[in-house]
Amino acid sequence: ETGVTQSPTHLIKTRGQQVTLRCSSQSGHNTVSWYQQALGQGPQFIFQYYREEENGRGNFPPRFSGLQFPNYSSELNVNALELDDSALYLCASSLGIDRGGGGTIYFGEGSWLTVV
Amino acid sequence: DQQVKQNSPSLSVQEGRISILNCDYTNSMFDYFLWYKKYPAEGPTFLISISSIKDKNEDGRFTVFLNKSAKHLSLHIVPSQPGDSAVYFCAATGNSGYSTLTFGKGTMLLVSP
Repeated sequence: ETGVTQSPTHLIKTRGQQVTLRCSSQSGHNTVSWYQQALGQGPQFIFQYYREEENGRGNFPPRFSGLQFPNYSSELNVNALELDDSALYLCASSLGIDRGGGGTIYFGEGSWLTVV
Repeated sequence: DQQVKQNSPSLSVQEGRISILNCDYTNSMFDYFLWYKKYPAEGPTFLISISSIKDKNEDGRFTVFLNKSAKHLSLHIVPSQPGDSAVYFCAATGNSGYSTLTFGKGTMLLVSP
């Protein structure tokens, strides 16, 4: 176990709705990144939060937004859901900008989102 | 445009033999490469990494080779075991100032007894 927990594990939403996914980072980690893994694809970077500030963003539209709280847990919010948003959403925690060369980026089990 | 490519969607190997998983990249700014293993219903777990200043890194049954001139890396698993059956992702990171990973699409490895 990595100590990174995500909720919910599975959910189904209707197109146009909004969704909030949650992540608790590993103890002592102050950086949280979110990834989207569509079926048959590798995880794609959405954005990263470091000490409650967005610290980098991938090629995702503004309807993907996030928050990081003082305890370093995080939320991913997606508005106006589209069918293509159906994917596994992974949260990863790390300490600072450690680039994980020593295996220090830890992933949660993910939240499966289905948009119908 | 995929910056990290794993061109083999799947690989089947017999127990005890060598598994070789390949990965190519296009971005010259990548300077760290990692392999992750993913079982169904679990998040990716770190397996092994290599810095761009090295050409080989070994950890038990797992060895990663890096050929910078060819922008190619490979993961060797010797001997392969049925428990190694999983999806393997190649990932890369650069000096962008934040710790993000660029992943390939993954290769599903099946090790049969």
